[in-house]
Amino acid sequence: AQSVAQPEDQVNVAEGNPLTVKCTYSVSGNPYLFWYVQYPNRGLQFLLKYITGDNLVKGSYGFEAEFNKSQTSFHLKKPSALVSDSALYFCAVRGPGAGSYQLTFGKGTKLSVIP
Amino acid sequence: DTAVSQTPKYLVTQMGNDKSIKCEQNLGHDTMYWYKQDSKKFLKIMFSYNNKELIINETVPNRFSPKSPDKAHLNLHINSLELGDSAVYFCASSQGGQGAYEQYFGPGTRLTVT
Repeated sequence: AQSVAQPEDQVNVAEGNPLTVKCTYSVSGNPYLFWYVQYPNRGLQFLLKYITGDNLVKGSYGFEAEFNKSQTSFHLKKPSALVSDSALYFCAVRGPGAGSYQLTFGKGTKLSVIP
Repeated sequence: DTAVSQTPKYLVTQMGNDKSIKCEQNLGHDTMYWYKQDSKKFLKIMFSYNNKELIINETVPNRFSPKSPDKAHLNLHINSLELGDSAVYFCASSQGGQGAYEQYFGPGTRLTVT
């Protein structure tokens, strides 16, 4: 079975500082990894994904994520946080191969960027 | 243009009633999903259809029944509503049900059962 862990319920960061939202995963085989963001009273928006290749993936709104196979992690990062980045962030994983339809989400991490 | 739309946005109803939520996507995707997000923001997959074929059918009460009349639409019908059904229900779609295809989510339907 595949699973995702987001160890922090909440991350607070000052505006202008770098931010990291942590994610670790468990899946058989090579994973497909995703980050989504949810603003209040909105649906989830896709930020970025890892398929294969370069371990550093760049996405929307200046976000990037680093894939680390040995640590089974896919942490979300941004060099300089904005107040408008405050939202709920979800990491998700899907396994490879035929029949791997299900995308498994973590429980979410609330990011608060303090002015 | 709205990529994934859901109606209604809010639904307030009493226990025991039957209600439906509709979802439409104009992205040309062949896979659609229903998720339930509870009060703690935890997301749970309920159903998924690929080319109108049911491919994910998670452990949900059989009071919940999805229907996909075509690839662009996926509706959710709920019979005999219970208090515990109160949640936000999200529809999503993707190009392909497997692999690296990202999902696009609708704005959600907030269901309140009183």
